[in-house]
Amino acid sequence: DAGITQSPRHKVTETGTPVTLRCHQTENHRYMYWYRQDPGHGLRLIHYSYGVKDTDKGEVSDGYSVSRSKTEDFLLTLESATSSQTSVYFCAISESPGQVTYEQYFGPGTRLTVT
Amino acid sequence: GIQVEQSPPDLILQEGANSTLRCNFSDSVNNLQWFHQNPWGQLINLFYIPSGTKQNGRLSATTVATERYSLLYISSSQTTDSGVYFCAVAVGNEKLTFGTGTRLTIIP
Repeated sequence: DAGITQSPRHKVTETGTPVTLRCHQTENHRYMYWYRQDPGHGLRLIHYSYGVKDTDKGEVSDGYSVSRSKTEDFLLTLESATSSQTSVYFCAISESPGQVTYEQYFGPGTRLTVT
Repeated sequence: GIQVEQSPPDLILQEGANSTLRCNFSDSVNNLQWFHQNPWGQLINLFYIPSGTKQNGRLSATTVATERYSLLYISSSQTTDSGVYFCAVAVGNEKLTFGTGTRLTIIP
């Protein structure tokens, strides 16, 4: 299994509070991704990174920001959490010979509940 | 963007049965992956298969890129095969687009 960890694994927070989720990899892969999974929607891409300090938006990026200061860490921040951001968040990694969508491997997920 | 449709949405089988899951997509792809999400939520890579056929134990997959579909075969199903199976595809340098999955339930 790819060495990907996510923290925390579960979090309950109140509306309006900031939340940061962390993804850590030990595979030295160039690309990292944040997805959210909701019933009826499958997995949707929030943001991704193609290198240190290089990030871009995905399909559902509103309300989220990311940072990547080291190859191994990719942080997802909800600046002011809303109930619509209650979801399961997955981090993924991939190595890429120039193609951003090379085979991806997923972390264990973080279940976030915003009350 | 590309459309991904998986069928059937739900499948209930007895242990030992065989099953075929289908993924249709609306454009030519250069990336196609099958994943299994187990009942504990973990997403497990099954196949990276933008074209051709691969086998891994009781599982095999075939992608016919020219006809824009992929099939996942599970033989001699076990209860541990239960969960949701996702197909994900990408065109060129676009990001992966996931289907909504097939929920497989294996009854002992």
